Amino acid sequence: AQSVTQLDSQVPVFEEAPVELRCNYSSSVSVYLFWYVQYPNQGLQLLLKYLSGSTLVKGINGFEAEFNKSQTSFHLRKPSVHISDTAEYFCAVRFRGSGNTPLVFGKGTRLSVIA
Amino acid sequence: SAVISQKPSRDICQRGTSLTIQCQVDSQVTMMFWYRQQPGQSLTLIATANQGSEATYESGFVIDKFPISRPNLTFSTLTVSNMSPEDSSIYLCSVSAGTVETQYFGPGTRLLVL
Repeated sequence: AQSVTQLDSQVPVFEEAPVELRCNYSSSVSVYLFWYVQYPNQGLQLLLKYLSGSTLVKGINGFEAEFNKSQTSFHLRKPSVHISDTAEYFCAVRFRGSGNTPLVFGKGTRLSVIA
Repeated sequence: SAVISQKPSRDICQRGTSLTIQCQVDSQVTMMFWYRQQPGQSLTLIATANQGSEATYESGFVIDKFPISRPNLTFSTLTVSNMSPEDSSIYLCSVSAGTVETQYFGPGTRLLVL
């Protein structure tokens, strides 16, 4: 069965510092990978996705993530965070070739950017 | 991408009552999903709704408690029946659109049951 592990439930970081939010997945088949962001009192917004091709994917708001098949990881990074990046970040996976089966989510990582 | 709206955006309800949440999409989509996000938690899939067929429920969720309608390719409703305080959550509608593998989410319905 698929599962997604976000190793850090909370990550505090100072403004303009770099950040990495970790995500590992478990699956017996190939997967598609996603990061979503949820700002306070809002719905989920797609940040970036890996479907195929280059393992380094760039998303909105300066975020990027790298797919590492051997380590089954898809860590999210940003070189310099802003106060406005304070939010909950969710990693999610979906089986390849499974049509419209729904996403499986990790438990989320709360990023708190400190001025 | 898809633009998804939900009504109501929030509500406070009494124990034992029911609330119907509406989800409207700006394009035709085959499958719609309903998720629950309990306070401080991640998203849990409630059910998958196909147009013209019965919804498929995940383990722990039943049709009597969460009846779903899907009358056409742009609209769905989720009813939370006989509510208790444990049903206090955010309920999110989601669809796959554009690239089939990508899911988009509505803004959510924040429900508080007293």
